[in-house]
This record gives sequence, C-alpha cells and structure tokens, in this order.
Amino acid sequence: QQQVKQSPQSLIVQKGGISIINCAYENTAFDYFPWYQQFPGKGPALLIAIRPDVSEKKEGRFTISFNKSAKQFSLHIMDSQPGDSATYFCAARYGTGGFKTIFGAGTRLFVKA
Amino acid sequence: DGGITQSPKYLFRKEGQNVTLSCEQNLNHDAMYWYRQDPGQGLRLIYYSQIVNDFQKGDIAEGYSVSREKKESFPLTVTSAQKNPTAFYLCASSNTGGNYGYTFGSGTRLTVV
Repeated sequence: QQQVKQSPQSLIVQKGGISIINCAYENTAFDYFPWYQQFPGKGPALLIAIRPDVSEKKEGRFTISFNKSAKQFSLHIMDSQPGDSATYFCAARYGTGGFKTIFGAGTRLFVKA
Repeated sequence: DGGITQSPKYLFRKEGQNVTLSCEQNLNHDAMYWYRQDPGQGLRLIYYSQIVNDFQKGDIAEGYSVSREKKESFPLTVTSAQKNPTAFYLCASSNTGGNYGYTFGSGTRLTVV
C-alpha cells in the first residue's frame, strides 16, 4: 500500500513558469515532510522540508504548502529553469521507531527553454 | 568534505551469487538506511539502523542482509535469494529526530548477468 501518493508522474513546464507537484498521505504518525531532487545517475538531495505545524515554507524559488486537515502537501517551483529539470520526490518521515522515511513515486519535471 | 561514499558505482552479479554493496559515512550520523530504486516506484526501504549492532527490516528486506559493526559503515549484501536484484541501490544517513532529512550516497547500479 502506497503511503505517500504523488502526482503528476511527469510534468512539462515552460521556462519561467510555475511547476506544481502534489502529494497526499494518510498516516498521522508522520512528523516531517521533505522534498528531494534527483538528477540522473545521482542520489537524491534534500531540497526543502516542512513540519506539520507550519502551513507554508519558502526557500528561494521553492515553496511547500501544507494542509494538515486534508493530509496534503505540495511543492511549487516559481520561475522554473531548465536546470530544475530533474525527478522530484515528496516524502514523509515517521516521528518514532527509527525515523524511517516513506517516499512518493516521483515526478519527472522537464523545463523547456 | 563530509558525505556518504557508496562503492562500487556499477556492479554485475551472476545468477546464484551473493554480492556486497559498501556504504561509508563521515557525517557522524547515528542512523543509516538502504533503499532500492526502480523506475516508476520511487524509493523502497530495505533495511535501516539507528545504532551500532542493531538494525531493522524495511518493507522489502527479503533476499537482503546487512550489518552495522561500526557507526560509519552499513554494508548491504544482496543474496541469491533475491529473485530480481537488478536496481539502483541508495544508501542514506541521518541524525535522528528533529528537522533532519537524509544525506544520500551517489548509488550503486546492480545488474544481473
């Protein structure tokens, strides 16, 4: 059973546009929601993260919006650039029991120049 | 520079053979994790360890084994019991609790020949 559902599977955006990736979860035991960026042949890298007591977090062009009651969160990439083309994973971490993290299936983003 | 080193980058396994993937970190992180990445399925947890000499099974532990004899090292053995081992394997480490995401290695691509 997929515990973190991510959509869309792939996304094509024009340079300068806004990229939006959505995720949903069910388990209220999650206490930390990171996003990771992965380039081909590389390991994922932490991009930005949020705790469930915060509704929005912004770092540069990247913003997480978090809706605790709906159990949904999303990543917005403003002014998308070709260098942002990568696979993005949302994730959710358990607050206890090893702090293991469950990942969404990933979104392949392509930003057209 | 602090980080996680995975080796080898590419590994070829013959049918019926056991192979061991190396993961070393110098970040002084307590927790270490092994994930398997297949196209379209995100990252799935194989094993994780919070402290030396202790580890727990993740969601897909069958056919894999690990050890944690040193804080810095968390090798993964892919045994002959793993029927479909061809995948990209990622090692990660983290502090526990708090606002900490994972630091990932650059991965090992394992292919059965």
